[in-house]
Amino acid sequence: GAVVSQHPSWVICKSGTSVKIECRSLDFQATTMFWYRQFPKQSLMLMATSNEGSKATYEQGVEKDKFLINHASLTLSTLTVTSAHPEDSSFYICSVSGISYNEQFFGPGTRLTVL
Amino acid sequence: GESVGLHLPTLSVQEGDNSIINCAYSNSASDYFIWYKQESGKGPQFIIDIRSNMDKRQGQRVTVLLNKTVKHLSLQIAATQPGDSAVYFCAETFGQGGKLIFGQGTELSVKP
Repeated sequence: GAVVSQHPSWVICKSGTSVKIECRSLDFQATTMFWYRQFPKQSLMLMATSNEGSKATYEQGVEKDKFLINHASLTLSTLTVTSAHPEDSSFYICSVSGISYNEQFFGPGTRLTVL
Repeated sequence: GESVGLHLPTLSVQEGDNSIINCAYSNSASDYFIWYKQESGKGPQFIIDIRSNMDKRQGQRVTVLLNKTVKHLSLQIAATQPGDSAVYFCAETFGQGGKLIFGQGTELSVKP
């Protein structure tokens, strides 16, 4: 399967600042990447689907102006949490869509803590 | 403020015993199902998958059973080991390129 990395693995920021999280597909050209959010003791919730070269598709209830997604190349997608607040503190995970039917390969996640 | 997390269902088993983790899925049109293992602080790791035209699939030490009549999926782990301790999620999807919908997860704890 595809190898996916995320950077940073954890980040602590002050309320009101913006944070950028990178998702890289290291050995696979990914036309589609997904961003998930996971709160403690909860399941993964899809935030948006990121397609290379086009605008991301956001799930209902996810603010596109707050969670900016850029998928400028086949190996990199970025998620920017703008004007972060403590309620944005969560575990953010990206995944890469594989060649085979509905395969997804997940990154290691990024722990965001907003003070 | 911080959101209150839900309490994950937990399953505690003795090392060497078999484990069965259950999942009820939501969409009768779903045609592809996957089980993921997530260790603390890490991303989900693929375990095994099954398509809707099958009712059983076996891997190494793991078996997935699918009952479409009652929309139920189960993961059986044989000879459970301490390294199997993690949270297990089922996920469903339909159509090629469809979104994954994750179940609530079950925390498996293996006692040595």
